[in-house]
Amino acid sequence: QQQVKQSPQSLIVQKGGIPIINCAYENTAFDYFPWYQQFPGKGPALLIAIRPDVSEKKEGRFTISFNKSAKQFSLHIMDSQPGDSATYFCAARDGGGSTLGRLYFGRGTQLTVWP
Amino acid sequence: NAGVTQTPKFQVLKTGQSMTLQCAQDMNHEYMSWYRQDPGMGLRLIHYSVGAGITDQGEVPNGYNVSRSTTEDFPLRLLSAAPSQTSVYFCASRTVSGSPLHFGNGTRLTVT
Repeated sequence: QQQVKQSPQSLIVQKGGIPIINCAYENTAFDYFPWYQQFPGKGPALLIAIRPDVSEKKEGRFTISFNKSAKQFSLHIMDSQPGDSATYFCAARDGGGSTLGRLYFGRGTQLTVWP
Repeated sequence: NAGVTQTPKFQVLKTGQSMTLQCAQDMNHEYMSWYRQDPGMGLRLIHYSVGAGITDQGEVPNGYNVSRSTTEDFPLRLLSAAPSQTSVYFCASRTVSGSPLHFGNGTRLTVT
């Protein structure tokens, strides 16, 4: 049973476009929603994260939109660049009030940005 | 600052062989964990530890063993490798207060 559902599986955009990656969940105990970026041959690295009391968070060209009632959140990449080509994972932490909560990952989206 | 270091980077095993994947971190993180990454499956938690002497199972623990004798090291043991364990394995660590998870660069394991 997949805790976090991510779509699309792959995404191709032109340079300057705005790719959007979507994630959905059911568990209302999730209390922290990070996005990770992974380049080939490397481990994932934290890109940006949001908590459910905030509807949007922006860091540079990356924005998370969060819809608590719909149990959905998405990553937007403004003015995408070829260097953004990577695999992106959404995740959710089953905190239950504890920072020791387990992190569940989506299946990943492979983004390709053409020059 | 090396962060999370995994060895080896690549490994080929025959079915039934055993091996240990090494993971070390130099950030004094209490929490350490092992994930496997398979195409189209995302990252799935195998085992984790919140401190020396404390380990627990994740989503996919069968066929794997862990121990945590020091804060720095968290080895993953495959007792009898199976082709289904062909995967990329990532070690990750963080503080128990909830800092971001730091990943190593992975070990690509092939079991024939």
